[in-house]
Amino acid sequence: AQSVSQHNHHVILSEAASLELGCNYSYGGTVNLFWYVQYPGQHLQLLLKYFSGDPLVKGIKGFEAEFIKSKFSFNLRKPSVQWSDTAEYFCAVRVNTDKLIFGTGTRLQVFP
Amino acid sequence: GAVVSQHPSRVICKSGTSVKIECRSLDFQATTMFWYRQFPKQSLMLMATSNEGSKATYEQGVEKDKFLINHASLTLSTLTVTSAHPEDSSFYICSARVPGLGGEQYFGPGTRLTVT
Repeated sequence: AQSVSQHNHHVILSEAASLELGCNYSYGGTVNLFWYVQYPGQHLQLLLKYFSGDPLVKGIKGFEAEFIKSKFSFNLRKPSVQWSDTAEYFCAVRVNTDKLIFGTGTRLQVFP
Repeated sequence: GAVVSQHPSRVICKSGTSVKIECRSLDFQATTMFWYRQFPKQSLMLMATSNEGSKATYEQGVEKDKFLINHASLTLSTLTVTSAHPEDSSFYICSARVPGLGGEQYFGPGTRLTVT
């Protein structure tokens, strides 16, 4: 069965620090990859997505992610985080069908 | 952008009663909607895929007789938790898929269900 793993469950950073959140998936075929963010008390929002083409994708709010097929990874990065980036981040994979398979999420806390 | 609403945002009910949660796509038509369940500090677990005009497709382990899904129109899907028990207490989230190849899913704000 397909699965998505996020290695970092809780990340604490100071403002201006760089961020990288890991995401690995298990599926050998074609995948669509997503990162969603859930700010406190709000609904899930799409940060960025990868379907095909350039493996380095840029999303909203300065986030980017790199798809490395050989490593089955889709890590999320941001060079300089802000306090407002405090949120829960979910990696998700879509294979063949409409179904999204989510990782367990990473809670990011950014301190001023 | 596409907006999905859920109603109610929070509901408390007694064991044995049924609760209906509505999911609406406000500015687009969604032939496919999804229902997820999120436990505290855990990920979203897909419960079922709801297709307009047809029966929902349930994920393994999800009781279809307990979680009734109706997708009666292109903008509305409902989830009814029947004969609710305290273990059904959870955060229920719906999403609606924008039609077309590679259509994104837009998520509702969720409904917090507490069964006493």
